[in-house]
Order: sequence, then C-alpha cells, then structure tokens
Amino acid sequence: DSGVTQTPKHLITATGQRVTLRCSPRSGDLSVYWYQQSLDQGLQFLIQYYNGEERAKGNILERFSAQQFPDLHSELNLSSLELGDSALYFCASSSGYSGANVLTFGAGSRLTVL
Amino acid sequence: GQNIDQPTEMTATEGAIVQINCTYQTSGFNGLFWYQQHAGEAPTFLSYNVLDGLEEKGRFSSFLSRSKGYSYLLLKELQMKDSASYLCAVSWGGGFKTIFGAGTRLFVKA
Repeated sequence: DSGVTQTPKHLITATGQRVTLRCSPRSGDLSVYWYQQSLDQGLQFLIQYYNGEERAKGNILERFSAQQFPDLHSELNLSSLELGDSALYFCASSSGYSGANVLTFGAGSRLTVL
Repeated sequence: GQNIDQPTEMTATEGAIVQINCTYQTSGFNGLFWYQQHAGEAPTFLSYNVLDGLEEKGRFSSFLSRSKGYSYLLLKELQMKDSASYLCAVSWGGGFKTIFGAGTRLFVKA
C-alpha cells in the first residue's frame, strides 16, 4: 500500500457520460498530480495541484477538470466521454517541497468507455 | 518544449547487466528520476539524480550528465522479476513539474 488511495479501481461507462475519479494523497503530502496512461503508452501529465491551488497544467482536455479540496483530496472530472478516453488514470502525490520531488502513485483507476 | 527520449524495448538474459539510456531536453532542470512499472500496476520510484555522476542502490545504479542531457539506468544480476517498463522522468520548473518518457519495456529471458 503506497498510501495514495484512488477510487474507483474500475469504471465502465458509455460515451457522452461524465465520471469523477477521486484521490487521497499520502499523509503529509501537499501536492497531487494526475496522469493518463492509455494502452501501451507513456504517462501523460494532466494537471498538478499544491495545497489547493493549481500549479501546473499539461495536455488536459477542456472536457476534463480537476480540483483539490481543503482536506487535500483531489477529484478529476471527465465529461462528454469518448472511446479514446479509455485509459488508466493515475494520481500521485509528493511533499511539494523543492529537492527530490519523488512521486508516490496510487493504484490507478481504469476507465473503460463503451 | 520539454522532451524525453528512451528506447522502446530491450531484451536481456537473466544474470546479465543491462543499460537503459534516456536523453532529455527541459528548461529549469531540477532532477532526473527512474521509475519501474509492471504491467497494469502503478509506477514505483527507483532512483534520483540531481548532480552529475553515478548513484548506486543495490543492483540498480543511475548516472546523470546534465551538460549532455543524458542519463542511464544500469541493472545488474538481472532477475526475471525485473521484466517491466522503466520510466525516465524529469522534474523542472521549480522542481514541481514532472514529465515522463514513454518508457522502456525490458524483457528478461532465461
């Protein structure tokens, strides 16, 4: 157990629908990252939050949004889903301080869009 | 822009040594990381380099040359369980932004 909790583990939904993925960071970590990993692809950076504020944005689609709450958990909202959104979505957390910014990953949420 | 390149696949024999290379182009470099990812699982941290040179940790070593934008991960005494993807990642922009290469899939054969 890495200490980063992601729910749900698996999700099957239809095109056009909306889903919310949830992440609780490791205790003490202030920074949360979201990554998308499609089949046999690398980790694509989506977005990063630090202590409730957006810090960096990657190639996140306009149909996707995220936020980090005061208790530091984060949610990734995916709307108007398309078949191509099927992927493994990872959340990672880190202390957020400068220096060795080691990321600790959750087990991932596997999204299947039919 | 930011870019990380690493070979797509490598094959090595159990007990041997393998070197996985990574080249990168980023601005404001703050460190280079190697992660291991088994199929369908989460990446796990292996090593971190911020200064030039070699960092050794058991069977794994990682090297960095900042002037060349180059790193490698060296795996010794390969075991079957080392079959996995190895991800090179770079932290930049104040140390908080981290991007990953596409990963090198390593196959260890008997």
